[in-house]
Amino acid sequence: AQKITQTQPGMFVQEKEAVTLDCTYDTSDPSYGLFWYKQPSSGEMIFLIYQGSYDQQNATEGRYSLNFQKARKSANLVISASQLGDSAMYFCAIFNGKSTFGDGTTLTVKP
Amino acid sequence: DVKVTQSSRYLVKRTGEKVFLECVQDMDHENMFWYRQDPGLGLRLIYFSYDVKMKEKGDIPEGYSVSREKKERFSLILESASTNQTSMYLCASSPRTDFYGYTFGSGTRLTVV
Repeated sequence: AQKITQTQPGMFVQEKEAVTLDCTYDTSDPSYGLFWYKQPSSGEMIFLIYQGSYDQQNATEGRYSLNFQKARKSANLVISASQLGDSAMYFCAIFNGKSTFGDGTTLTVKP
Repeated sequence: DVKVTQSSRYLVKRTGEKVFLECVQDMDHENMFWYRQDPGLGLRLIYFSYDVKMKEKGDIPEGYSVSREKKERFSLILESASTNQTSMYLCASSPRTDFYGYTFGSGTRLTVV
């Protein structure tokens, strides 16, 4: 069975600093997509960034970047210049015909 | 703007009631999903559907059923609500190949009293 592991239940970061949220995955499929979602207290899951397993370059979307290390099976999310509005729960997920989500990391941005 | 719409953000129901949670998407997606989310347990898949009138059990289908009579609508039914079904329910949809991830609705916080 495939698995997503997010080892940090909670993280704190100072406003304007960068933060890395960890994600490791385990799958035997050669083709898959890795995703990060943000869930603020309102409850909606918001898509942030996507990385395909065959992509050569790390994905970036504005202040979000994905540090993809395929050999290590890791897909860490880097948020640069944190803002107070980044305080939320963040989920890593893998999609390859079946979906698996991690348990999430709660990020708190301090002013 | 494309959307997945869940009919209620907050719902309070009594034990034993039949509860319908509705989800509608306007993206012409083939796949639709129902998850529940509980603290410490993450997202757990209840049911999913790859086409109209099709349904498949997820990881925790007990106590739930679903209906997909039209492509855009996927309903979750709690046949006889119980307090342990108090949870956040999330609907999602995706194209047939889900390599591009899911689009989620805003969620329904259901409380069963």
